[in-house]
Amino acid sequence: AQTVTQSQPEMSVQEAETVTLSCTYDTSESDYYLFWYKQPPSRQMILVIRQEAYKQQNATENRFSVNFQKAAKSFSLKISDSQLGDAAMYFCAYRRVERTLNNAGNMLTFGGGTRLMVKP
Amino acid sequence: DTGVSQDPRHKITKRGQNVTFRCDPISEHNRLYWYRQTLGQGPEFLTYFQNEAQLEKSRLLSDRFSAERPKGSFSTLEIQRTEQGDSAMYLCASSSDGSGVPGEQFFGPGTRLTVL
Repeated sequence: AQTVTQSQPEMSVQEAETVTLSCTYDTSESDYYLFWYKQPPSRQMILVIRQEAYKQQNATENRFSVNFQKAAKSFSLKISDSQLGDAAMYFCAYRRVERTLNNAGNMLTFGGGTRLMVKP
Repeated sequence: DTGVSQDPRHKITKRGQNVTFRCDPISEHNRLYWYRQTLGQGPEFLTYFQNEAQLEKSRLLSDRFSAERPKGSFSTLEIQRTEQGDSAMYLCASSSDGSGVPGEQFFGPGTRLTVL
Protein backbone atom coordinates (compact mmCIF):
# COMPACT_ATOMS: atom_id res chain seq x y z
CA ALA A 1 0.00 0.00 0.00
CA GLN A 2 1.07 3.51 -0.65
CA THR A 3 2.01 5.74 2.26
CA VAL A 4 2.74 9.44 2.45
CA THR A 5 4.77 10.98 5.26
CA GLN A 6 5.13 14.61 6.23
CA SER A 7 7.75 14.83 8.95
CA GLN A 8 7.19 18.48 9.87
CA PRO A 9 4.01 18.95 11.92
CA GLU A 10 4.56 22.72 12.03
CA MET A 11 6.66 25.22 10.16
CA SER A 12 7.05 28.95 10.56
CA VAL A 13 8.24 31.52 8.05
CA GLN A 14 8.68 35.27 8.05
CA GLU A 15 6.54 37.17 5.59
CA ALA A 16 8.34 37.59 2.23
CA GLU A 17 10.78 34.78 3.03
CA THR A 18 10.98 31.30 1.50
CA VAL A 19 9.96 28.08 3.17
CA THR A 20 10.19 24.43 2.12
CA LEU A 21 7.77 21.74 3.27
CA SER A 22 8.90 18.13 3.09
CA CYS A 23 7.08 15.04 1.90
CA THR A 24 8.19 11.47 1.30
CA TYR A 25 6.13 8.62 -0.04
CA ASP A 26 6.37 4.93 -0.59
CA THR A 27 5.09 3.13 -3.66
CA SER A 28 5.99 0.26 -5.93
CA GLU A 29 4.39 1.99 -8.92
CA SER A 30 6.48 3.69 -11.57
CA ASP A 31 3.81 6.09 -12.76
CA TYR A 32 1.65 8.17 -10.45
CA TYR A 33 0.67 11.71 -9.52
CA LEU A 34 1.68 13.81 -6.56
CA PHE A 35 -0.15 16.83 -5.20
CA TRP A 36 0.09 19.54 -2.61
CA TYR A 37 -3.20 20.71 -1.16
CA LYS A 38 -3.77 23.75 1.05
CA GLN A 39 -6.43 23.77 3.76
CA PRO A 40 -6.91 27.23 5.32
CA PRO A 41 -8.52 27.42 8.75
CA SER A 42 -12.23 26.61 8.49
CA ARG A 43 -12.08 26.68 4.72
CA GLN A 44 -12.07 24.03 2.09
CA MET A 45 -9.07 22.28 0.69
CA ILE A 46 -7.70 23.58 -2.59
CA LEU A 47 -5.11 22.21 -4.96
CA VAL A 48 -1.83 24.12 -4.94
CA ILE A 49 0.32 22.18 -7.37
CA ARG A 50 0.62 18.76 -8.97
CA GLN A 51 3.37 16.66 -10.49
CA GLU A 52 3.22 13.73 -12.88
CA ALA A 53 5.85 11.15 -12.01
CA TYR A 54 6.82 10.61 -15.65
CA LYS A 55 7.83 14.26 -15.97
CA GLN A 56 11.35 15.06 -14.90
CA GLN A 57 10.73 18.79 -14.86
CA ASN A 58 9.62 20.15 -11.51
CA ALA A 59 6.19 21.78 -11.51
CA THR A 60 5.87 25.49 -10.82
CA GLU A 61 2.81 27.61 -10.12
CA ASN A 62 3.65 31.26 -9.48
CA ARG A 63 5.26 31.41 -6.02
CA PHE A 64 4.91 27.65 -5.49
CA SER A 65 7.34 25.10 -6.85
CA VAL A 66 8.22 21.51 -6.09
CA ASN A 67 11.42 19.53 -5.87
CA PHE A 68 10.52 16.06 -7.13
CA GLN A 69 13.16 13.42 -6.50
CA LYS A 70 11.71 10.19 -7.89
CA ALA A 71 14.52 7.89 -6.86
CA ALA A 72 14.42 9.21 -3.32
CA LYS A 73 10.61 9.27 -3.33
CA SER A 74 10.68 12.82 -2.13
CA PHE A 75 8.33 15.66 -3.09
CA SER A 76 8.93 18.95 -1.31
CA LEU A 77 7.02 22.21 -1.73
CA LYS A 78 8.80 25.53 -1.84
CA ILE A 79 6.84 28.71 -1.18
CA SER A 80 8.65 31.86 -2.21
CA ASP A 81 7.83 35.39 -1.03
CA SER A 82 5.54 34.02 1.68
CA GLN A 83 2.34 35.95 2.30
CA LEU A 84 0.04 36.05 5.31
CA GLY A 85 -2.60 34.28 3.23
CA ASP A 86 -0.31 31.28 2.85
CA ALA A 87 -0.92 30.35 6.49
CA ALA A 88 -2.74 27.01 6.40
CA MET A 89 -2.40 23.25 6.70
CA TYR A 90 -0.57 21.80 3.75
CA PHE A 91 -1.13 18.21 2.71
CA CYS A 92 0.96 16.16 0.37
CA ALA A 93 -1.05 13.55 -1.53
CA TYR A 94 -0.38 10.61 -3.83
CA ARG A 95 -2.58 9.11 -6.52
CA ARG A 96 -1.97 6.07 -8.66
CA VAL A 97 -2.51 6.16 -12.40
CA GLU A 98 -6.03 4.94 -13.02
CA ARG A 99 -6.14 1.65 -14.92
CA THR A 100 -9.68 0.49 -14.31
CA LEU A 101 -12.65 2.34 -12.92
CA ASN A 102 -13.17 0.16 -9.91
CA ASN A 103 -9.73 -0.17 -8.41
CA ALA A 104 -9.96 3.04 -6.43
CA GLY A 105 -6.98 4.13 -8.50
CA ASN A 106 -8.12 7.68 -8.30
CA MET A 107 -8.31 7.83 -4.52
CA LEU A 108 -5.92 10.27 -2.91
CA THR A 109 -3.61 9.10 -0.14
CA PHE A 110 -2.69 12.00 2.10
CA GLY A 111 0.12 12.69 4.49
CA GLY A 112 -0.54 13.92 8.00
CA GLY A 113 -0.10 17.57 7.08
CA THR A 114 2.17 20.47 7.97
CA ARG A 115 0.79 23.56 9.66
CA LEU A 116 2.44 26.64 8.16
CA MET A 117 2.48 29.84 10.16
CA VAL A 118 3.48 33.11 8.53
CA LYS A 119 4.86 35.85 10.76
CA PRO A 120 4.28 39.47 9.74
CA ASP B 1 -21.84 26.90 -9.89
CA THR B 2 -19.95 27.83 -6.75
CA GLY B 3 -18.23 24.52 -6.08
CA VAL B 4 -18.86 21.48 -3.93
CA SER B 5 -21.32 22.07 -1.13
CA GLN B 6 -22.01 19.98 1.96
CA ASP B 7 -24.86 20.01 4.42
CA PRO B 8 -24.92 20.33 7.36
CA ARG B 9 -21.64 22.02 8.16
CA HIS B 10 -21.82 20.88 11.75
CA LYS B 11 -23.66 18.01 13.40
CA ILE B 12 -23.78 17.13 17.07
CA THR B 13 -25.41 13.86 17.97
CA LYS B 14 -25.63 11.42 20.81
CA ARG B 15 -23.98 8.05 20.70
CA GLY B 16 -26.20 5.45 19.09
CA GLN B 17 -28.07 7.87 16.85
CA ASN B 18 -28.02 7.73 13.05
CA VAL B 19 -26.76 10.67 11.03
CA THR B 20 -26.89 11.51 7.33
CA PHE B 21 -24.76 14.01 5.45
CA ARG B 22 -25.36 15.41 2.01
CA CYS B 23 -22.90 16.42 -0.68
CA ASP B 24 -23.70 18.35 -3.86
CA PRO B 25 -20.81 18.12 -6.33
CA ILE B 26 -19.88 20.54 -9.08
CA SER B 27 -22.67 20.03 -11.58
CA GLU B 28 -20.68 18.70 -14.52
CA HIS B 29 -18.60 16.33 -12.41
CA ASN B 30 -19.45 12.67 -12.69
CA ARG B 31 -17.16 11.44 -9.93
CA LEU B 32 -17.79 11.92 -6.25
CA TYR B 33 -15.62 10.90 -3.29
CA TRP B 34 -16.02 10.77 0.46
CA TYR B 35 -13.10 11.19 2.86
CA ARG B 36 -12.85 11.32 6.64
CA GLN B 37 -10.45 13.66 8.40
CA THR B 38 -9.76 13.26 12.10
CA LEU B 39 -8.19 16.06 14.11
CA GLY B 40 -4.57 16.67 13.17
CA GLN B 41 -4.57 14.09 10.39
CA GLY B 42 -4.85 14.07 6.64
CA PRO B 43 -8.05 12.96 4.94
CA GLU B 44 -8.66 9.23 4.62
CA PHE B 45 -10.50 7.85 1.59
CA LEU B 46 -13.84 6.15 2.29
CA THR B 47 -15.69 5.56 -0.97
CA TYR B 48 -16.17 6.77 -4.53
CA PHE B 49 -18.90 7.00 -7.18
CA GLN B 50 -18.75 7.15 -10.94
CA ASN B 51 -22.15 8.62 -11.79
CA GLU B 52 -24.60 6.59 -9.66
CA ALA B 53 -22.38 3.52 -9.38
CA GLN B 54 -20.43 3.03 -6.18
CA LEU B 55 -17.22 1.57 -7.53
CA GLU B 56 -15.18 1.34 -4.35
CA LYS B 57 -16.60 0.81 -0.90
CA SER B 58 -14.21 -1.61 0.71
CA ARG B 59 -12.58 1.24 2.61
CA LEU B 60 -15.73 2.27 4.41
CA LEU B 61 -14.81 2.01 8.05
CA SER B 62 -17.47 -0.46 9.10
CA ASP B 63 -20.87 -1.77 8.03
CA ARG B 64 -22.38 1.13 9.96
CA PHE B 65 -21.25 3.41 7.13
CA SER B 66 -23.10 3.54 3.84
CA ALA B 67 -23.27 5.96 0.93
CA GLU B 68 -25.60 6.52 -1.98
CA ARG B 69 -25.73 8.62 -5.09
CA PRO B 70 -29.15 7.70 -6.46
CA LYS B 71 -29.35 9.85 -9.57
CA GLY B 72 -25.71 10.47 -10.17
CA SER B 73 -25.93 13.97 -8.76
CA PHE B 74 -25.89 14.57 -5.00
CA SER B 75 -24.70 11.94 -2.57
CA THR B 76 -25.50 11.03 1.02
CA LEU B 77 -23.28 9.41 3.61
CA GLU B 78 -25.07 7.71 6.50
CA ILE B 79 -23.57 6.52 9.76
CA GLN B 80 -25.77 4.26 11.82
CA ARG B 81 -25.44 3.76 15.58
CA THR B 82 -22.81 6.45 15.88
CA GLU B 83 -19.88 5.99 18.23
CA GLN B 84 -17.60 8.59 19.79
CA GLY B 85 -14.82 7.41 17.50
CA ASP B 86 -16.88 8.58 14.52
CA SER B 87 -16.29 12.20 15.53
CA ALA B 88 -14.42 13.74 12.61
CA MET B 89 -14.71 15.99 9.59
CA TYR B 90 -16.35 14.28 6.63
CA LEU B 91 -15.20 15.69 3.33
CA CYS B 92 -16.76 15.32 -0.08
CA ALA B 93 -14.91 15.90 -3.33
CA SER B 94 -15.82 15.72 -6.99
CA SER B 95 -13.97 15.46 -10.26
CA SER B 96 -14.58 14.92 -13.94
CA ASP B 97 -12.97 12.05 -15.78
CA GLY B 98 -12.82 14.27 -18.80
CA SER B 99 -10.82 16.82 -16.89
CA GLY B 100 -7.64 18.15 -18.42
CA VAL B 101 -6.04 17.79 -15.03
CA PRO B 102 -6.01 14.08 -14.21
CA GLY B 103 -6.89 13.37 -10.64
CA GLU B 104 -7.83 16.92 -9.66
CA GLN B 105 -10.47 16.63 -7.00
CA PHE B 106 -12.38 19.66 -5.79
CA PHE B 107 -13.28 19.52 -2.12
CA GLY B 108 -16.28 20.76 -0.21
CA PRO B 109 -16.09 22.55 3.15
CA GLY B 110 -16.85 19.37 5.08
CA THR B 111 -19.32 18.32 7.73
CA ARG B 112 -17.93 18.26 11.23
CA LEU B 113 -19.51 15.49 13.28
CA THR B 114 -19.35 15.44 17.07
CA VAL B 115 -20.66 12.37 18.84
CA LEU B 116 -21.36 12.88 22.53
